[in-house]
Amino acid sequence: DTEVTQTPKHLVMGMTNKKSLKCEQHMGHRAMYWYKQKAKKPPELMFVYSYEKLSINESVPSRFSPECPNSSLLNLHLHALQPEDSALYLCASSQERGEDTQYFGPGTRLTVL
Amino acid sequence: DAKTTQPPSMDCAEGRAANLPCNHSTISGNEYVYWYRQIHSQGPQYIIHGLKNNETNEMASLIITEDRKSSTLILPHATLRDTAVYYCIVWPHGSSNTGKLIFGQGTTLQVKP
Repeated sequence: DTEVTQTPKHLVMGMTNKKSLKCEQHMGHRAMYWYKQKAKKPPELMFVYSYEKLSINESVPSRFSPECPNSSLLNLHLHALQPEDSALYLCASSQERGEDTQYFGPGTRLTVL
Repeated sequence: DAKTTQPPSMDCAEGRAANLPCNHSTISGNEYVYWYRQIHSQGPQYIIHGLKNNETNEMASLIITEDRKSSTLILPHATLRDTAVYYCIVWPHGSSNTGKLIFGQGTTLQVKP
């Protein structure tokens, strides 16, 4: 089983709202990732967690705040977003950070009004 | 920047083999070739990967040239459900791997009835 789940599937929020995206995996993977994908563009890495510690932040604005409460769960907290942050947000996981195959969830489609 | 070059689009007749090329002329000795695909508005799906030998699984075959500068993903009997963007990614194994998957623009494969 290589399933990564993400909730919600769709989210519409205003620029003053606070919301969170959730990602879960039960494969025992110790690395988890957030990617962002704008329309008609390839996915781009935002954050990497390894053993519940943030190991890479790709210079993401502070209005995006990741959190890894345990090895199965990854959150992305959103605050004061801009309309240009509207995108598909993808979560992935792998056995370990680095060379292991990453498995992606279905994504959350975010629209910022 | 992506280290691979792929044609932007290809067509394939349903039931025929789809052969998707990828150029990775600057590939290093410790870099594997990975293929993912992304069906419209879904998360990327892992297909296959290889180092230098040809690989086959239930989804596809991967043929890597002897000099490793190019590869071909083969879907043996394409169906309409194989219509997707296909990404070829070179991915190092070893300590140089940060966990960051770098997607290029990919090839949009359109399978036609």
